[in-house]
Amino acid sequence: DQQVKQNSPSLSVQEGRISILNCDYTNSMFDYFLWYKKYPAEGPTFLISISSIKDKNEDGRFTVFLNKSAKHLSLHIVPSQPGDSAVYFCAASARSTDSWGKLQFGAGTQVVVTP
Amino acid sequence: DGGITQSPKYLFRKEGQNVTLSCEQNLNHDAMYWYRQDPGQGLRLIYYSQIVNDFQKGDIAEGYSVSREKKESFPLTVTSAQKNPTAFYLCASSGRKLFFGSGTQLSVL
Repeated sequence: DQQVKQNSPSLSVQEGRISILNCDYTNSMFDYFLWYKKYPAEGPTFLISISSIKDKNEDGRFTVFLNKSAKHLSLHIVPSQPGDSAVYFCAASARSTDSWGKLQFGAGTQVVVTP
Repeated sequence: DGGITQSPKYLFRKEGQNVTLSCEQNLNHDAMYWYRQDPGQGLRLIYYSQIVNDFQKGDIAEGYSVSREKKESFPLTVTSAQKNPTAFYLCASSGRKLFFGSGTQLSVL
């Protein structure tokens, strides 16, 4: 069963506007959440993360929000730029397990930023 | 410069054949991982290794085998028992963050 879900397979947004990507999880043991960006035929690159002790983490144009009670997190990209067009994966980990690099990934959201 | 190198970029497998995907890292990370990506799906963990000469099965280990004889190297063999091997394979290693290689696309002839 899928423990991390990204229910929107695609998102189209105009350049300069806000992109909001959503992610839901079911496993209450998850305590560390990450977003990765991926271009075709390349490996994912780390974007931003958040620990369960926080509800917000910001890094430049990227902000991740965590709502533990709803088991929901979101990634905001402001302002969106053409180079942001990529697939974005949400991932979760239970750092208390034997290897926190054992991530559970969502199916990804394809973001297209239009001029 | 430091990173993870996967080879080859593209690989073709004939029916009944075993193929091995290479993964080398120079990040001095103890932990290494193999993930598989299918179209429209997220990454799924195949095997992982936290230290040399030790490895554990991930969520979809059937039909795969690995070895970890050196800290820098974590090759993945796709055996003939893997009936649906066509996928994009990603190797990763972790220190405080998880870093990925550029991937190998495996297809069946």
